[in-house]
Amino acid sequence: AQSVTQLDSQVPVFEEAPVELRCNYSSSVSVYLFWYVQYPNQGLQLLLKYLSGSTLVKGINGFEAEFNKSQTSFHLRKPSVHISDTAEYFCAVSEVAAGNKLTFGGGTRVLVKP
Amino acid sequence: DTEVTQTPKHLVMGMTNKKSLKCEQHMGHRAMYWYKQKAKKPPELMFVYSYEKLSINESVPSRFSPECPNSSLLNLHLHALQPEDSALYLCASSQGGPGPYEQYFGPGTRLTVT
Repeated sequence: AQSVTQLDSQVPVFEEAPVELRCNYSSSVSVYLFWYVQYPNQGLQLLLKYLSGSTLVKGINGFEAEFNKSQTSFHLRKPSVHISDTAEYFCAVSEVAAGNKLTFGGGTRVLVKP
Repeated sequence: DTEVTQTPKHLVMGMTNKKSLKCEQHMGHRAMYWYKQKAKKPPELMFVYSYEKLSINESVPSRFSPECPNSSLLNLHLHALQPEDSALYLCASSQGGPGPYEQYFGPGTRLTVT
Protein backbone atom coordinates (compact mmCIF):
# COMPACT_ATOMS: atom_id res chain seq x y z
CA ALA A 1 0.00 0.00 0.00
CA GLN A 2 1.13 3.52 -0.71
CA SER A 3 1.68 6.30 1.81
CA VAL A 4 2.33 10.01 1.57
CA THR A 5 4.31 12.19 3.98
CA GLN A 6 4.18 15.95 4.00
CA LEU A 7 7.15 16.99 6.03
CA ASP A 8 5.87 20.36 7.21
CA SER A 9 2.53 20.74 8.94
CA GLN A 10 2.71 24.54 8.83
CA VAL A 11 4.68 26.96 6.68
CA PRO A 12 4.56 30.69 7.49
CA VAL A 13 5.79 32.87 4.65
CA PHE A 14 5.81 36.56 3.86
CA GLU A 15 3.91 37.94 0.88
CA GLU A 16 5.95 37.93 -2.36
CA ALA A 17 8.45 35.45 -0.90
CA PRO A 18 8.95 31.99 -2.44
CA VAL A 19 7.52 28.88 -0.83
CA GLU A 20 8.28 25.17 -1.11
CA LEU A 21 6.06 22.44 0.29
CA ARG A 22 7.66 19.06 0.64
CA CYS A 23 6.02 15.75 -0.21
CA ASN A 24 7.49 12.25 -0.14
CA TYR A 25 5.68 9.07 -1.02
CA SER A 26 6.18 5.38 -0.60
CA SER A 27 4.88 2.78 -3.04
CA SER A 28 6.04 -0.51 -4.48
CA VAL A 29 4.47 0.25 -7.87
CA SER A 30 4.23 3.17 -10.27
CA VAL A 31 2.14 6.08 -9.07
CA TYR A 32 0.40 9.21 -10.21
CA LEU A 33 0.94 12.30 -8.06
CA PHE A 34 -1.30 15.27 -7.30
CA TRP A 35 -1.35 18.48 -5.32
CA TYR A 36 -4.69 19.81 -4.10
CA VAL A 37 -5.48 23.08 -2.30
CA GLN A 38 -8.26 23.61 0.21
CA TYR A 39 -9.26 27.17 1.02
CA PRO A 40 -11.10 27.79 4.29
CA ASN A 41 -14.62 26.33 4.34
CA GLN A 42 -14.28 24.96 0.84
CA GLY A 43 -13.70 21.66 -0.92
CA LEU A 44 -10.45 20.66 -2.58
CA GLN A 45 -9.22 22.02 -5.90
CA LEU A 46 -6.58 20.40 -8.09
CA LEU A 47 -3.41 22.50 -8.47
CA LEU A 48 -1.44 20.12 -10.68
CA LYS A 49 -0.74 16.48 -11.41
CA TYR A 50 2.08 14.25 -12.60
CA LEU A 51 1.10 11.29 -14.72
CA SER A 52 4.17 10.71 -16.90
CA GLY A 53 6.64 12.56 -19.10
CA SER A 54 8.37 15.75 -18.03
CA THR A 55 9.22 15.72 -14.35
CA LEU A 56 8.54 19.45 -14.01
CA VAL A 57 4.82 20.06 -13.88
CA LYS A 58 3.18 23.47 -14.04
CA GLY A 59 -0.21 24.07 -12.49
CA ILE A 60 -2.70 26.80 -11.80
CA ASN A 61 -2.05 30.01 -9.86
CA GLY A 62 1.69 30.00 -10.61
CA PHE A 63 2.46 26.74 -8.80
CA GLU A 64 4.83 24.08 -10.11
CA ALA A 65 6.12 20.76 -8.82
CA GLU A 66 9.00 18.47 -9.65
CA PHE A 67 8.78 14.70 -9.60
CA ASN A 68 11.96 12.99 -8.41
CA LYS A 69 11.67 9.23 -8.76
CA SER A 70 14.96 8.38 -7.07
CA GLN A 71 14.03 10.43 -4.01
CA THR A 72 10.33 9.53 -4.24
CA SER A 73 9.46 13.18 -3.85
CA PHE A 74 7.02 15.62 -5.42
CA HIS A 75 7.72 19.04 -3.92
CA LEU A 76 5.48 22.00 -4.69
CA ARG A 77 6.89 25.49 -5.29
CA LYS A 78 5.72 29.01 -5.99
CA PRO A 79 8.24 31.80 -6.62
CA SER A 80 6.13 34.59 -5.12
CA VAL A 81 3.11 34.03 -2.89
CA HIS A 82 0.08 36.22 -2.35
CA ILE A 83 -2.15 36.64 0.67
CA SER A 84 -4.77 34.65 -1.23
CA ASP A 85 -2.49 31.59 -1.21
CA THR A 86 -3.23 31.10 2.49
CA ALA A 87 -4.77 27.63 2.53
CA GLU A 88 -4.22 23.96 3.29
CA TYR A 89 -2.25 22.04 0.68
CA PHE A 90 -2.50 18.28 0.23
CA CYS A 91 -0.20 16.00 -1.69
CA ALA A 92 -1.90 12.83 -2.94
CA VAL A 93 -0.89 9.64 -4.71
CA SER A 94 -2.77 7.12 -6.77
CA GLU A 95 -1.26 3.80 -7.72
CA VAL A 96 -1.36 3.21 -11.45
CA ALA A 97 -3.39 0.02 -11.10
CA ALA A 98 -5.76 1.51 -8.53
CA GLY A 99 -7.53 3.88 -10.86
CA ASN A 100 -8.84 6.95 -9.15
CA LYS A 101 -8.29 5.93 -5.51
CA LEU A 102 -6.36 8.76 -3.84
CA THR A 103 -4.25 8.57 -0.69
CA PHE A 104 -3.60 11.98 0.84
CA GLY A 105 -0.72 13.27 2.88
CA GLY A 106 -1.37 14.95 6.20
CA GLY A 107 -1.50 18.43 4.69
CA THR A 108 0.58 21.59 4.98
CA ARG A 109 -1.02 24.78 6.17
CA VAL A 110 0.45 27.82 4.42
CA LEU A 111 -0.02 31.15 6.17
CA VAL A 112 0.99 34.13 4.07
CA LYS A 113 1.83 37.21 6.12
CA PRO A 114 1.76 40.78 4.79
CA ASP B 1 -20.31 23.64 -15.46
CA THR B 2 -17.58 22.16 -13.26
CA GLU B 3 -19.50 22.36 -10.02
CA VAL B 4 -20.33 19.70 -7.50
CA THR B 5 -23.08 20.77 -5.15
CA GLN B 6 -23.77 19.38 -1.71
CA THR B 7 -26.75 19.86 0.58
CA PRO B 8 -27.15 20.72 3.34
CA LYS B 9 -24.12 22.87 4.14
CA HIS B 10 -24.50 22.23 7.85
CA LEU B 11 -26.32 19.45 9.70
CA VAL B 12 -26.80 18.84 13.41
CA MET B 13 -28.31 15.52 14.35
CA GLY B 14 -28.87 13.42 17.42
CA MET B 15 -27.58 9.90 17.76
CA THR B 16 -31.04 8.43 17.16
CA ASN B 17 -31.85 10.50 14.08
CA LYS B 18 -31.89 9.46 10.45
CA LYS B 19 -30.69 12.00 7.92
CA SER B 20 -29.28 12.09 4.41
CA LEU B 21 -26.55 14.05 2.67
CA LYS B 22 -26.97 14.84 -1.00
CA CYS B 23 -24.48 15.44 -3.78
CA GLU B 24 -25.13 16.40 -7.40
CA GLN B 25 -23.01 16.99 -10.49
CA HIS B 26 -23.90 17.76 -14.09
CA MET B 27 -20.51 17.22 -15.71
CA GLY B 28 -21.38 13.81 -17.13
CA HIS B 29 -19.01 12.14 -14.68
CA ARG B 30 -19.54 8.44 -14.06
CA ALA B 31 -17.49 8.08 -10.86
CA MET B 32 -18.56 9.63 -7.56
CA TYR B 33 -16.93 9.56 -4.16
CA TRP B 34 -17.65 10.18 -0.49
CA TYR B 35 -14.84 11.37 1.78
CA LYS B 36 -14.78 12.12 5.50
CA GLN B 37 -12.51 14.91 6.74
CA LYS B 38 -11.85 15.57 10.41
CA ALA B 39 -10.52 18.94 11.51
CA LYS B 40 -6.88 19.55 10.51
CA LYS B 41 -6.71 16.13 8.83
CA PRO B 42 -6.70 15.00 5.18
CA PRO B 43 -9.80 13.57 3.53
CA GLU B 44 -10.35 9.85 4.03
CA LEU B 45 -12.05 7.88 1.28
CA MET B 46 -15.29 6.19 2.33
CA PHE B 47 -17.04 5.00 -0.83
CA VAL B 48 -16.60 5.05 -4.60
CA TYR B 49 -19.37 4.55 -7.14
CA SER B 50 -18.40 3.76 -10.71
CA TYR B 51 -21.15 3.72 -13.33
CA GLU B 52 -23.73 3.77 -10.54
CA LYS B 53 -22.32 0.66 -8.91
CA LEU B 54 -20.49 0.58 -5.58
CA SER B 55 -16.88 -0.24 -6.41
CA ILE B 56 -15.04 0.65 -3.21
CA ASN B 57 -16.18 0.51 0.41
CA GLU B 58 -13.33 1.38 2.76
CA SER B 59 -14.67 -0.72 5.63
CA VAL B 60 -17.08 2.02 6.63
CA PRO B 61 -19.51 1.21 9.49
CA SER B 62 -23.00 0.24 8.40
CA ARG B 63 -24.49 3.32 10.03
CA PHE B 64 -23.32 5.05 6.83
CA SER B 65 -25.25 3.85 3.78
CA PRO B 66 -24.45 5.23 0.32
CA GLU B 67 -26.83 5.33 -2.60
CA CYS B 68 -26.37 6.34 -6.22
CA PRO B 69 -29.86 6.66 -7.75
CA ASN B 70 -28.51 7.90 -11.10
CA SER B 71 -25.31 9.12 -12.68
CA SER B 72 -25.76 12.69 -11.40
CA LEU B 73 -26.77 12.04 -7.80
CA LEU B 74 -25.08 10.55 -4.79
CA ASN B 75 -26.62 10.22 -1.35
CA LEU B 76 -25.21 9.26 2.02
CA HIS B 77 -27.82 7.99 4.46
CA LEU B 78 -26.97 8.40 8.12
CA HIS B 79 -28.47 6.44 11.01
CA ALA B 80 -27.51 6.01 14.67
CA LEU B 81 -24.34 8.02 14.33
CA GLN B 82 -21.82 8.57 17.11
CA PRO B 83 -20.30 11.89 18.21
CA GLU B 84 -16.98 10.82 16.67
CA ASP B 85 -18.70 10.84 13.27
CA SER B 86 -18.81 14.63 13.43
CA ALA B 87 -16.74 15.84 10.47
CA LEU B 88 -16.82 17.52 7.08
CA TYR B 89 -18.23 15.14 4.49
CA LEU B 90 -16.96 15.80 1.00
CA CYS B 91 -18.39 14.54 -2.25
CA ALA B 92 -16.32 14.36 -5.42
CA SER B 93 -16.82 13.24 -8.99
CA SER B 94 -14.61 12.33 -11.93
CA GLN B 95 -14.77 10.72 -15.30
CA GLY B 96 -15.34 7.00 -15.12
CA GLY B 97 -12.97 4.30 -16.21
CA PRO B 98 -9.43 3.40 -15.13
CA GLY B 99 -8.18 6.97 -15.02
CA PRO B 100 -6.41 8.71 -13.58
CA TYR B 101 -8.86 11.58 -13.74
CA GLU B 102 -9.11 14.79 -11.82
CA GLN B 103 -11.58 14.62 -8.99
CA TYR B 104 -13.85 17.64 -8.60
CA PHE B 105 -14.86 18.27 -4.99
CA GLY B 106 -17.96 19.85 -3.57
CA PRO B 107 -17.80 22.34 -0.65
CA GLY B 108 -18.83 19.67 1.84
CA THR B 109 -21.47 19.17 4.52
CA ARG B 110 -20.34 19.94 8.03
CA LEU B 111 -21.98 17.34 10.27
CA THR B 112 -22.27 17.61 14.03
CA VAL B 113 -23.59 14.63 15.98
CA THR B 114 -24.89 15.48 19.44
